[in-house]
Amino acid sequence: SSELTQDHAVSVALGQTVRVTCLGDSLRSYYANWYQQKPGQAPVLLIYDKDKRPSGIPDRFSGSISGHTASLTITETQAEDEADYYCHSRDSRGNPSFGPGTKVTVL
Amino acid sequence: QVHLQQWGAGLLKPSETLSLTCAVYGGSFSGYYWSWIRQPPGKGLEWIGESDHSGRGNYNPSLKSRVTISLDTSKSQISLKMTSMSVADTAVYFCAREGANTSSPPFEFWGQGTPVTVSS
Repeated sequence: SSELTQDHAVSVALGQTVRVTCLGDSLRSYYANWYQQKPGQAPVLLIYDKDKRPSGIPDRFSGSISGHTASLTITETQAEDEADYYCHSRDSRGNPSFGPGTKVTVL
Repeated sequence: QVHLQQWGAGLLKPSETLSLTCAVYGGSFSGYYWSWIRQPPGKGLEWIGESDHSGRGNYNPSLKSRVTISLDTSKSQISLKMTSMSVADTAVYFCAREGANTSSPPFEFWGQGTPVTVSS
């Protein structure tokens, strides 16, 4: 079982803002990273070191952290943002660990 | 730009050994940790293990006894071997490069994924 927890699914209206959260005690010690995965594709790094975006990632994706909760926020959500989103950090042993993923549906 | 291309047998019988290879094109091979990650059908991501060019490895405790990750620096390739495969190991297997200089290095680059089915 994962030491990081995420909501199973969230929905958002086209053009609105959605927040995906990730909870875990390890987030007090380790940065959170976020990935987007569409069906049949490899995950894509969206956010690293809690709030940095790799080149090419739109600025409507942002990350933050407060205590043991990391958040991914998508503003002005587009239809193409419908996907699974995974948080990633380290577990109590210091090994990489993923959250169970959140399915974002764009209405 | 870094590109990871992976290949290997996609259909195994129970008790057989999985063997996958991931070739790295572009960027530096040394100086990074390289990981294998898998995803069972309809489920989330599970980290399998990592290694760097000097052979420093680290494995998921739940899989450690069955997994070997090795690097061939002359070919810029990473390999995964997992013994005693069972139906529960059916998944898409990804290779990935970890970033550096951070408390939780992100998986910056991913291979395309190799579907592996274990069935009698």
